[in-house]
Amino acid sequence: AQRVTQPEKLLSVFKGAPVELKCNYSYSGSPELFWYVQYSRQRLQLLLRHISRESIKGFTADLNKGETSFHLKKPFAQEEDSAMYYCALDSGNTGKLIFGQGTTLQVKP
Amino acid sequence: DVKVTQSSRYLVKRTGEKVFLECVQDMDHENMFWYRQDPGLGLRLIYFSYDVKMKEKGDIPEGYSVSREKKERFSLILESASTNQTSMYLCASSIDRNNQPQHFGDGTRLSIL
Repeated sequence: AQRVTQPEKLLSVFKGAPVELKCNYSYSGSPELFWYVQYSRQRLQLLLRHISRESIKGFTADLNKGETSFHLKKPFAQEEDSAMYYCALDSGNTGKLIFGQGTTLQVKP
Repeated sequence: DVKVTQSSRYLVKRTGEKVFLECVQDMDHENMFWYRQDPGLGLRLIYFSYDVKMKEKGDIPEGYSVSREKKERFSLILESASTNQTSMYLCASSIDRNNQPQHFGDGTRLSIL
């Protein structure tokens, strides 16, 4: 079955500390993976996608097919990074996304 | 910039009422989606549509129906609202099926009393 798992409901770090938000997926083919972010009182928006291989707001994510993971990383967290983060999988060119349960990132001053 | 507009930010209805949630996108996107967002459960797909008058069930379609009479508009209908349908509802659209990102509306927080 196709599934996305984000094992942490809440991740709390201090400003300036490294951040890693975990995402594991279950899919036998070639996945297309996304990270979405929802800041307080704002709409859910795309943060990055693995095929673009770009860094957005200092965040990067690498697809590891061997470990079926797509963890989101940032070397130095900022308070404005505090938000809900969702990992999502688009399987088989369907246009449908399967979302993980979400991880709340809390960056403390 | 893509604009996905949901007609209400907050809505309060009573058990048994028929409830309509409206969503409009302005970028001629083929795909439109309805999700509900609940704490600890993430986003769950209710229904989606690849084209006008087309609809497909998502993961949790029970108790819901949809309508897509025009390409830009996708309506979610709660036939007979129940308290367990109290939730945040998100509408999204995407260009097509080819691994395109989805663009979301602000959401409608629906309370069923």
